[in-house]
Amino acid sequence: EVQLVESGGGLVQPGGSLRLSCAASGFTVSSNYMSWVRQAPGKGLEWVSVIYSGGSTYYADSVKGRFTISRHNSKNTLYLQMNSLRAEDTAVYYCARGEDGYNYSAFDIWGQGTMVTVSS
Amino acid sequence: SSELTQDPAVSVALGQTVRITCQGDSLRSYYASWYQQKPGQAPVLVIYGKNNRPSGIPDRFSGSSSGNTASLTITGAQAEDEADYYCNSRDSSGNHLNWVFGGGTKLTVL
Repeated sequence: EVQLVESGGGLVQPGGSLRLSCAASGFTVSSNYMSWVRQAPGKGLEWVSVIYSGGSTYYADSVKGRFTISRHNSKNTLYLQMNSLRAEDTAVYYCARGEDGYNYSAFDIWGQGTMVTVSS
Repeated sequence: SSELTQDPAVSVALGQTVRITCQGDSLRSYYASWYQQKPGQAPVLVIYGKNNRPSGIPDRFSGSSSGNTASLTITGAQAEDEADYYCNSRDSSGNHLNWVFGGGTKLTVL
């Protein structure tokens, strides 16, 4: 079964750090591009970051310089290292598998999400 | 970065047809993908590409596109279709390597 399972969320103080993990099964994370998408309480979806199969990484302006996306191929796991956390980073964080086709790009598999709360 | 604009809320009578729209400059370059999200659950892809449904998505869901506007149509809406719906595409304003989501449309089935 194709599945993504996130972990690592929790309560952290402003300025602190947290590392999220996303374990994949049923496919290889290094063969697809993988993204993190977040959703603040009561708000919409916000794309955060992507890592392509070749290893290139890109970030939303809101997290650039603070967050780092990576993967461990042998563990088939995606990560999001979050530093210098702010209250506005409070959200449910989802990992998602990306798929490209003719003039489209879609996130076809999503994890269940992990909650990150930044508060003192 | 570019934006995708959706109506915040739409309602439909049970069994009737409803169209949810999404507008943005990126949609002139890319087809929108559409996601359904029910309370407390992760988003689920319902439409991608020109008009493709993943396995398991009912055929009452369909997609279309014209100019800078993409539409998700539910023909014969069911009670279980009540959810938030989000559109998404690559962001064409920069390097096309980022993504953008619409603000979401809350669908109420009356």
